[in-house]
Amino acid sequence: IAGITQAPTSQILAAGRRMTLRCTQDMRHNAMYWYRQDLGLGLRLIHYSNTAGTTGKGEVPDGYSVSRANTDDFPLTLASAVPSQTSVYFCASKSDRAIGDTEAFFGQGTRLTVV
Amino acid sequence: EDQVTQSPEALRLQEGESSSLNCSYTVSGLRGLFWYRQDPGKGPEFLFTLYSAGEEKEKERLKATLTKKESFLHITAPKPEDSATYLCAVQAGNYGQNFVFGPGTRLSVLP
Repeated sequence: IAGITQAPTSQILAAGRRMTLRCTQDMRHNAMYWYRQDLGLGLRLIHYSNTAGTTGKGEVPDGYSVSRANTDDFPLTLASAVPSQTSVYFCASKSDRAIGDTEAFFGQGTRLTVV
Repeated sequence: EDQVTQSPEALRLQEGESSSLNCSYTVSGLRGLFWYRQDPGKGPEFLFTLYSAGEEKEKERLKATLTKKESFLHITAPKPEDSATYLCAVQAGNYGQNFVFGPGTRLSVLP
């Protein structure tokens, strides 16, 4: 089934540890995104990539890094986790289109708890 | 400052009781407005895209409309399975390919 796969689905992580959240899509979409979702704050953009080999910072990038070595994969790394990074993380992707704008497709999320 | 707000924050309806959810936006150069549905523990699921004022789209009991400053999601004769959080997002000229999401409206439809 085509779509976006995130792993792990949930994780409890000790503060100070390094963690990589994985995201893979098989729709050949150029653009990919990482969001975090917190109660009362909605979805906030962490990092994005418009095409393989390029990345950009979103609204809340501090403490996170990304890479985009190929079209399909867009991992998010927390170098040294802190409790404020406890959240639900969603990866999304969308295709480019010359006319109009297309919707983003979302993964099922990774629930991360930093203790 | 670009902003997307949604109201109400939460809404409880009886089955069959129609209502509307609001999404208000202030952005420069709107390229598209998107509605998503999100069930607990799942990722947002795409519903509609609206591109220009006056546009309307329908799907089953849902109809989305767009003006120059806001969008409405009308729910006609809702059923309990329509219970979810409904998210509004905009894509604007300032953000390139990025989306800005509103905080969502949590809808509960009681049988």
